[in-house]
Amino acid sequence: DAGITQSPRHKVTETGTPVTLRCHQTENHRYMYWYRQDPGHGLRLIHYSYGVKDTDKGEVSDGYSVSRSKTEDFLLTLESATSSQTSVYFCAISGGGGLSNQPQHFGDGTRLSIL
Amino acid sequence: QQQVKQSPQSLIVQKGGISIINCAYENTAFDYFPWYQQFPGKGPALLIAIRPDVSEKKEGRFTISFNKSAKQFSLHIMDSQPGDSATYFCAASITPGNQFYFGTGTSLTVIP
Repeated sequence: DAGITQSPRHKVTETGTPVTLRCHQTENHRYMYWYRQDPGHGLRLIHYSYGVKDTDKGEVSDGYSVSRSKTEDFLLTLESATSSQTSVYFCAISGGGGLSNQPQHFGDGTRLSIL
Repeated sequence: QQQVKQSPQSLIVQKGGISIINCAYENTAFDYFPWYQQFPGKGPALLIAIRPDVSEKKEGRFTISFNKSAKQFSLHIMDSQPGDSATYFCAASITPGNQFYFGTGTSLTVIP
């Protein structure tokens, strides 16, 4: 299994509070991704990173920010959580890009409930 | 707008039968098509993947069939087993960039 650790694994918080999720990898992969998974929507990309301090938006980035200060860590922050952000969040990593894409490998997710 | 459309949403198959899940796409720039398997409480795990220069790829009981002209690809699970019961996602990506676009998932149940 790819060395990906997500923390926390479960979190319950209240509307309006800030929340930070962490993804840590031990594979030294260049690319890191944050997805959310919701019934009927599959996996949707929130933000991704293609290197330290290099990030870009995905299709559902509103209300989320990210930071990557080290190769191994990618943080996802909800500045002011809303109930619509209740979801399961997955981090993925990939050594891909270049001449051909490579598979993404996923962590086991963070289940976030916003009351 | 869903870039990759997946069907069916759920599937029930008898043990030993063939499970077939279909995906369709519009963007002809997609050049990598992986399938992922997900068990409850776990992240998706890469099952098998194909590039558009081949029409079929087989790994054990799992086969991807790819129809470039129809812009469709499918996953076939031969001799389905109860342990195959999981959610399956197709995806597509474009080189470079490595952004994946996922289907909405198929919940497969294999009954003994």
